Amino acid sequence: AQKVTQAQTEISVVEKEDVTLDCVYETRDTTYYLFWYKQPPSGELVFLIRRNSFDEQNEISGRYSWNFQKSTSSFNFTITASQVVDSAVYFCALSGAETSGSRLTFGEGTQLTVNP
Amino acid sequence: EAEVAQSPRYKITEKSQAVAFWCDPISGHATLYWYRQILGQGPELLVQFQDESVVDDSQLPKDRFSAERLKGVDSTLKIQPAELGDSAMYLCASSLGQTAGANVLTFGAGSRLTVL
Repeated sequence: AQKVTQAQTEISVVEKEDVTLDCVYETRDTTYYLFWYKQPPSGELVFLIRRNSFDEQNEISGRYSWNFQKSTSSFNFTITASQVVDSAVYFCALSGAETSGSRLTFGEGTQLTVNP
Repeated sequence: EAEVAQSPRYKITEKSQAVAFWCDPISGHATLYWYRQILGQGPELLVQFQDESVVDDSQLPKDRFSAERLKGVDSTLKIQPAELGDSAMYLCASSLGQTAGANVLTFGAGSRLTVL
């Protein structure tokens, strides 16, 4: 079985602060994929990033960065200089190539509120 | 930009009534998914289609839920009879290939169901 844990239910920050969203995963697969999705109030899940289990390089995209550490089974997401438009629910998700087929397992999500 | 279309966006119904949701995936996407997202939780896969065939419906409550994708393009998810616990967001997603990890899912805006 696979599992994704996002321990932070809600985070509130003031604009321009940096914020890190935590994600811890469990899987027995050696090949797996990790994702982050953003869900604004409109409801649509927006894809942010995908990493496979063999690529532990951290990634930066503008104000977004991701830290993948297999040793701690974590895939954390940092927003630098947060903006009000970053307010949304953020989901971490996992897909194991060997045991779960095509199933994406999502965490419970972290509600991020960025206040002006 | 191509998108996954869903309708209706909102549906209010009384328990024991029938309800149906429609999804039109991105053109050319062979794989279509229906997810259910209960308020405050992450999405959970209900059913996955590869073209017109069901690949995974292990989490679909088959006594009351049905899904079809007759021509391998658009899809309908039906609930009959609806129960109070079915109140949720129903999200449709599509991808080019079958393996969720290797293929990025594009989600629609969802259909929010309220059962009274």
